[in-house]
Amino acid sequence: EAGVTQSPTHLIKTRGQQATLRCSPISGHTSVYWYQQALGLGLQFLLWYDEGEERNRGNFPPRFSGRQFPNYSSELNVNALELEDSALYLCASSSLAGGADTQYFGPGTRLTVL
Amino acid sequence: GEDVEQSLFLSVREGDSSVINCTYTDSSSTYLYWYKQEPGAGLQLLTYIFSNMDMKQDQRLTVLLNKKDKHLSLRIADTQTGDSAIYFCAEINPYNAGNMLTFGGGTRLMVKP
Repeated sequence: EAGVTQSPTHLIKTRGQQATLRCSPISGHTSVYWYQQALGLGLQFLLWYDEGEERNRGNFPPRFSGRQFPNYSSELNVNALELEDSALYLCASSSLAGGADTQYFGPGTRLTVL
Repeated sequence: GEDVEQSLFLSVREGDSSVINCTYTDSSSTYLYWYKQEPGAGLQLLTYIFSNMDMKQDQRLTVLLNKKDKHLSLRIADTQTGDSAIYFCAEINPYNAGNMLTFGGGTRLMVKP
């Protein structure tokens, strides 16, 4: 069974541009989560989508947004990129919403903002 | 808010046991997890424990949970060089935090041959 997949592996952008990151969950999983792993800041929760709806949001500005498609894949969009947005962005999926369920992670997208 | 803390670094010799420790503050945490991250990679789920359990064993891995002290540990028996990685503990409280995992800062395990 395929795990969580993310694309692209690496993304290089300049300040002020927009970045789009993509995630495909494990087959049968309806929840997708996004986390940011920035140097010195650890792993921080960004967004949770389930059944196409945003269920929870971390302490990030509105220029971080996303969506979940009918096939449960997800996009993370980061507008007006800033240097401090450089990080590894990890996507995870799980099979239940509303209760805690084990989150399985993808390999991540490394975003570099120049 | 909730906080999860880990020591930064652990060095052991190949064949020895490794014990990685974690403390957390949310007494309502329901699930506690251990993830492994190798250089340049995502997070690999190693094991997890429900808050109503004291211990869980899975091959070379043993998780101990002391709810009174809010202390979680991961013991790796017969540590191998392939175990060198960063280990993260994480907790979740779906009733308060909407399914978000709260991670510790990670413990870098170095295994010397």
